[in-house]
Amino acid sequence: AQKVTQAQTEISVVEKEDVTLDCVYETRDTTYYLFWYKQPPSGELVFLIRRNSFDEQNEISGRYSWNFQKSTSSFNFTITASQVVDSAVYFCALSGGFSGGYNKLIFGAGTRLAVHP
Amino acid sequence: DVKVTQSSRYLVKRTGEKVFLECVQDMDHENMFWYRQDPGLGLRLIYFSYDVKMKEKGDIPEGYSVSREKKERFSLILESASTNQTSMYLCASSPLAAYEQYFGPGTRLTVT
Repeated sequence: AQKVTQAQTEISVVEKEDVTLDCVYETRDTTYYLFWYKQPPSGELVFLIRRNSFDEQNEISGRYSWNFQKSTSSFNFTITASQVVDSAVYFCALSGGFSGGYNKLIFGAGTRLAVHP
Repeated sequence: DVKVTQSSRYLVKRTGEKVFLECVQDMDHENMFWYRQDPGLGLRLIYFSYDVKMKEKGDIPEGYSVSREKKERFSLILESASTNQTSMYLCASSPLAAYEQYFGPGTRLTVT
């Protein structure tokens, strides 16, 4: 069965701190895709990144970076020098793969990040 | 820019009423999805559609049905609303399987 675990329910940091959001996944598929989404207070989910299981290179986009490690089934998200605008709920998700269906996204419960000035 | 719109941001209905939630996307995407979001549970897939008139059940289809008569429009129907269907409902679309999904703003439904 596929599963995504985001163990951190809430994180609170002060502006300019670095913060890492953890994501651990379970799947029996060899081909799968991982995603991160941001849900700001307005409510609309915003796509951040998609990663396939064959690409373990870390990704950096401005202050955002992602660390994908198949050995530990983790796809962690780091925000460097956090800002108040980063305050949101962040979701990690896994595509169903061959056994679950590629159309299906399995979401973690989300991590609420609060960045204080 | 992909645009996914939902018919209402807030909706209040009574127990037993039939409820229609509508979603429209403007990017000619093949796939459309309905999720519900509840605190601590993340997003759970109710139904999805990969083509006009085609649908598949997600993880929690009980109490819901869907309709896709046109490619750009995907409707979620609560045949007889119940209080445990009070939730945030999110619609999404994607061009292909395993591609990123684009979400609408959500409809917060309250059933009293």
